[in-house]
Amino acid sequence: EDQVTQSPEALRLQEGESSSLNCSYTVSGLRGLFWYRQDPGKGPEFLFTLYSAGEEKEKERLKATLTKKESFLHITAPKPEDSATYLCAVPVAQTGANNLFFGTGTRLTVIP
Amino acid sequence: ETGVTQSPTHLIKTRGQQVTLRCSSQSGHNTVSWYQQALGQGPQFIFQYYREEENGRGNFPPRFSGLQFPNYSSELNVNALELDDSALYLCASSQKRTGGSLSYGYTFGSGTRLTVV
Repeated sequence: EDQVTQSPEALRLQEGESSSLNCSYTVSGLRGLFWYRQDPGKGPEFLFTLYSAGEEKEKERLKATLTKKESFLHITAPKPEDSATYLCAVPVAQTGANNLFFGTGTRLTVIP
Repeated sequence: ETGVTQSPTHLIKTRGQQVTLRCSSQSGHNTVSWYQQALGQGPQFIFQYYREEENGRGNFPPRFSGLQFPNYSSELNVNALELDDSALYLCASSQKRTGGSLSYGYTFGSGTRLTVV
């Protein structure tokens, strides 16, 4: 059964304090791993897609990496505006459609 | 380029009632997916529509139904509302390529917050 587990559930950082969020997955035949950012009361906003182990992508203070079992979202010198819930997701086809299976997210708070 | 728009933004309904939520997909996108997000949880796949037909369904009962229109906009209908249906309902559009492969470049709307009392 496909599984996506994110840790920690919540993370509080001081502004400038770098850290990493984890997304571990169990899927048959990975067809990509997606990272989204979600602000309260809003829909998820696409950040990155990673397709193969060893792949890395960067955007401003964020860097996503992928291994065969997990993905990390590294946040370097975060600012308060980085506060949000970060979701990872993998595509699954078991429902007959290509849809995304989401983890429960990591709620990040960056304190000034 | 317009994004995904959903209406209404908030809604309060009574248990047992029926509700219709609406979604206009992003320009150029031909596939619409609906997700339910309970508080503190990740979005859960409800179903997907492509070419006005249901193209796959998650683990949701038949009282959750939908439509897609020729302009690719979509509706989500929920009958006999239950308290547990209270959630943020998200619409996501994407483009299915020729040959059937789907771009996972979903664009999500801001959602409709449904409260069932």
